[in-house]
Amino acid sequence: EMQLVESGGDLVQPGGSLRVSCAASGFSFRTYEMSWVRQAPGKGLEWVSYISSTGSTRSYADSVEGRFTISRDNAKNSLYLQMNSLRAEDTAVYYCARHVGYFDSWGQGTRVTVSS
Amino acid sequence: EIVLTQSPGTLSLSPGERATLSCKASQSVSSGYLAWYQQKPGQAPRLLTYAASFRATGIPDRFSGSGSGTDFTLTISRLEPDDFAVYYCQQYHLSPGTFGPGTKVEIK
Repeated sequence: EMQLVESGGDLVQPGGSLRVSCAASGFSFRTYEMSWVRQAPGKGLEWVSYISSTGSTRSYADSVEGRFTISRDNAKNSLYLQMNSLRAEDTAVYYCARHVGYFDSWGQGTRVTVSS
Repeated sequence: EIVLTQSPGTLSLSPGERATLSCKASQSVSSGYLAWYQQKPGQAPRLLTYAASFRATGIPDRFSGSGSGTDFTLTISRLEPDDFAVYYCQQYHLSPGTFGPGTKVEIK
């Protein structure tokens, strides 16, 4: 059974940094594109970042461009999101999702709170 | 960027009733690259349909997607208690894939 498990969410001060991770299992991780999608409290879904299967292509939402970096380690079946210069508006649950155009599988999410 | 509008914002229905959810795009979504997701409180979204009308694995046939161009619909033929949730549409024709604001289906 395929599974995506996020970790690393925490309470961070504005301007701080955090790295969240996603461990994949039950499928051939190295052959799939992946994305991060977030959901602010009481709000809808917002795509954050995308990475190709090899990691050679990456893209970001305008709201995080220049502050967030997506990466992956196919040997470890893991996806990462490095978040720098965090703002209050980055407070959200962050989901990793398998990206096949649409998102066919999601993790349970990890909560990131940016507050002083 | 393609902007998606969902209506109604909230749908109040009873179990056994039919639910019709609308998703309208600001420009044509080519090849019907439109997906629907269900999200229950405290849970991750779950894929229901993709390519406008194809059900994802394990999704009951009471869920059906339809539409093309700029107008898409998710129909739940007979609501079951487990179906009361928030539903999101998402276009993946143009990058970045954008989501609609959601429709909440609540028990009347």
